[in-house]
Amino acid sequence: DQQVKQNSPSLSVQEGRISILNCDYTNSMFDYFLWYKKYPAEGPTFLISISSIKDKNEDGRFTVFLNKSAKHLSLHIVPSQPGDSAVYFCAASPLRNNDMRFGAGTRLTVKP
Amino acid sequence: DTGVSQNPRHKITKRGQNVTFRCDPISEHNRLYWYRQTLGQGPEFLTYFQNEAQLEKSRLLSDRFSAERPKGSFSTLEIQRTEQGDSAMYLCASRGRTGNTEAFFGQGTRLTVV
Repeated sequence: DQQVKQNSPSLSVQEGRISILNCDYTNSMFDYFLWYKKYPAEGPTFLISISSIKDKNEDGRFTVFLNKSAKHLSLHIVPSQPGDSAVYFCAASPLRNNDMRFGAGTRLTVKP
Repeated sequence: DTGVSQNPRHKITKRGQNVTFRCDPISEHNRLYWYRQTLGQGPEFLTYFQNEAQLEKSRLLSDRFSAERPKGSFSTLEIQRTEQGDSAMYLCASRGRTGNTEAFFGQGTRLTVV
């Protein structure tokens, strides 16, 4: 059962523009959400997270927005840079359990 | 401590052989996860340890798969009688002691069953 969904397998944006990556979830018990970035032949690296008590968290060029009523979160990268080109995974974790569930990923390509 | 370490990085094995992977988490982390990732998919949860206790196992973890964390530090994942469908990247992650924190991943072990 896919509890975390990233419906866009790929996204291409021009350098300097905004990248918006989307994620939907189905389990209302999820209360902590994370974004990971993955380069080929490497493990995922943590990017940014948000707790369900917030609706926005910002870290430099990266901002994550959470809409609990819609069970939707998004990652905004602005301005996008070619080095941001990677696969981005959304993950969610419930409070009582400790497992994390991942979406299938979105491959972001930032063109110079 | 430089992060989560996984060994080997790559493993090629013949179908039917047993393989074992090792994960060394960040030393102060008591939570440890194993995931499997295939091409075009996100990491799929396999199992979770808190200290030495295996608290959760996915239905994906068939009887041929076993994981241990005997002293609450490093962990091993063994696959018996490997099948071609076991070919994947096996990822280990560790997480701090309590609460909502990020998990840190190792670089993974790429298994190829021929």
